[in-house]
Amino acid sequence: NAGVTQTPKFRILKIGQSMTLQCTQDMNHNYMYWYRQDPGMGLKLIYYSVGAGITDKGEVPNGYNVSRSTTEDFPLRLELAAPSQTSVYFCASSLLRGFFTFGSGTRLTVV
Amino acid sequence: QQQVKQSPQSLIVQKGGISIINCAYENTAFDYFPWYQQFPGKGPALLIAIRPDVSEKKEGRFTISFNKSAKQFSLHIMDSQPGDSATYFCAALNYGGSQGNLIFGKGTKLSVKP
Repeated sequence: NAGVTQTPKFRILKIGQSMTLQCTQDMNHNYMYWYRQDPGMGLKLIYYSVGAGITDKGEVPNGYNVSRSTTEDFPLRLELAAPSQTSVYFCASSLLRGFFTFGSGTRLTVV
Repeated sequence: QQQVKQSPQSLIVQKGGISIINCAYENTAFDYFPWYQQFPGKGPALLIAIRPDVSEKKEGRFTISFNKSAKQFSLHIMDSQPGDSATYFCAALNYGGSQGNLIFGKGTKLSVKP
């Protein structure tokens, strides 16, 4: 049982490049979330999904896009990377509200 | 109104001491309050959680105290150990709401000295 798997673990992007952060869960959870974590700022919600085909914006969605074509996968797309997107990104899933299982994170640096 | 305010930002405690982290909220629709523990290089993991119908919940050395009228809750770590050194996040959720997402505090970095 792998839980929530995020890839890659580390990535350096140049300004203006694009990339997709992958997130897969094998627990058949309906709810999935993307958070970003910046030092001293806690976790900020980027996007979330309550089920396949349904996504919605969180607190800080600008510069990001998501899709949810299957229950298992919830990729996060960064278009035209900017230095402000340097952060650690966490994907999470839950079956019951509030009982989150987090992935191990992707550390992204935009230079 | 969606904020959860957490303090202190950092905390140093001697081994065997009590660690106390406090959180406050404003949104009275919040009705589920978990605490997450995060070790360096790892994702947060659920530690303990409480609903507002109880004032205290204890699991081993970890206790949540909840004051509904003051809209405050706190995490107490008894007999703190070096292995407890981590960042702790309080969070809040409107369990009956449509989103199901947690609102996190900014975190407390706990260091337990041997």
